[in-house]
Order: sequence, then C-alpha cells, then structure tokens
Amino acid sequence: GAVVSQHPSWVICKSGTSVKIECRSLDFQATTMFWYRQFPKQSLMLMATSNEGSKATYEQGVEKDKFLINHASLTLSTLTVTSAHPEDSSFYICSAGTARNNNQPQHFGDGTRLSIL
Amino acid sequence: QKEVEQDPGPLSVPEGAIVSLNCTYSNSAFQYFMWYRQYSRKGPELLMYTYSSGNKEDGRFTAQVDKSSKYISLFIRDSQPSDSATYLCAMSYQAGTALIFGKGTTLSVSS
Repeated sequence: GAVVSQHPSWVICKSGTSVKIECRSLDFQATTMFWYRQFPKQSLMLMATSNEGSKATYEQGVEKDKFLINHASLTLSTLTVTSAHPEDSSFYICSAGTARNNNQPQHFGDGTRLSIL
Repeated sequence: QKEVEQDPGPLSVPEGAIVSLNCTYSNSAFQYFMWYRQYSRKGPELLMYTYSSGNKEDGRFTAQVDKSSKYISLFIRDSQPSDSATYLCAMSYQAGTALIFGKGTTLSVSS
C-alpha cells in the first residue's frame, strides 16, 4: 500500500488564490521530504528540500516567498502556492525517505494536479 | 549536457517481448540508482533500487548499473499490457539527497 499520501489530488482555482498541498508519510517518520514539479511530458524537477523543524532549502529559480514549505512534524510537510497564477499550473509531487535508511530509497505521493484559471 | 539522459521514446512492443530501457549519466559521483514507473496522472512508483554497480533482479525486472560506462539499464521480461507506463530512471549522489531524474521513456505493450 501507499507509504506517502498526498492531498488533494486535484485542485482547480482562480488566479490569485493560495493553495495548500499536504504530504504525509503513513507508516514511518520522514526527517526529509522533497517537493518536485512536473510539467506535461517532462521529468520531475526538484523544487525544494524540506527538513523537519528547520527552513526548507530551495533550488535555484524557485521563489521561496511564492512556494511556502512547512515541515512541522516527522510525518507532515505542506507546500503552499501563494497567489497562484496560470503559469503555476503543474503536477506537484512530494517524496519522503526514512532516516533509518538514510532517506533511501524515496517513496512518492500520488501528486497534486494544480490548475489555475 | 544534462546530468541524466534518457530516450523518451515512445517504445512500442508486443506482449511477451523483452524490454530494454536505459539511461546514461555524466557525473561519476552518483552512487544510488533507481527505476520508477509512472502511470498517467500518478506519482512515480519505485521498481528497483541499486547502490553502486551490479545487477539486481526482482521478478520480471532486472536492473543493471555499469559505473565505468555511466550507464544503467532496466530489463522487463515477458512484458504485459499492464507494464504500459512511463519509466523514469533516477539517481543521487549520496543518501538523503534529492533525486535527479531522466526525462522518462514511455512504453506501450500491445496485447
């Protein structure tokens, strides 16, 4: 069964809305979670690395004020897309690994399809 | 040159065929190698995980890593229509770091 749960699976909202996506590790404690973005027919691109209890590390070109990441517990990380615009429409996927295995291998959630009108 | 190169296909094979998928990479520092399967509108599902060089077999799937050639492969034996999906190779430099993905190869197995 799924070891990483992501919610919601699909969001459609108006431009300017803020959207929160949740990523939960179901049966293990995830000290590190990763957030990826995938455009149609493209591969997954890392957006940020989320460490429990500390600030996220963002990849070059990813606006940290636009994509707010919170990792308040060992089983939950959230990504909030603030003031979303049509160009933010994409497939957002989180992954997690357990520190017991040095975060390898990583398991992925089922993704959130975000459509901004 | 991208860090990880993967032919996007599409690759079409008849049911029962042996499928060979592969990726090349440029950075010899990669140590962890993975293959994921992704169905449309779903997250990637881990198929195979290998540390360093060598072969690994799991049912109909065999993963090979050749670090000297910077080349990894995934073989699927007795392919089934349910294997139709996009296959992504991924690798990382060290434990606990994010994955770097290939572009994915779209596979279609016809019955």
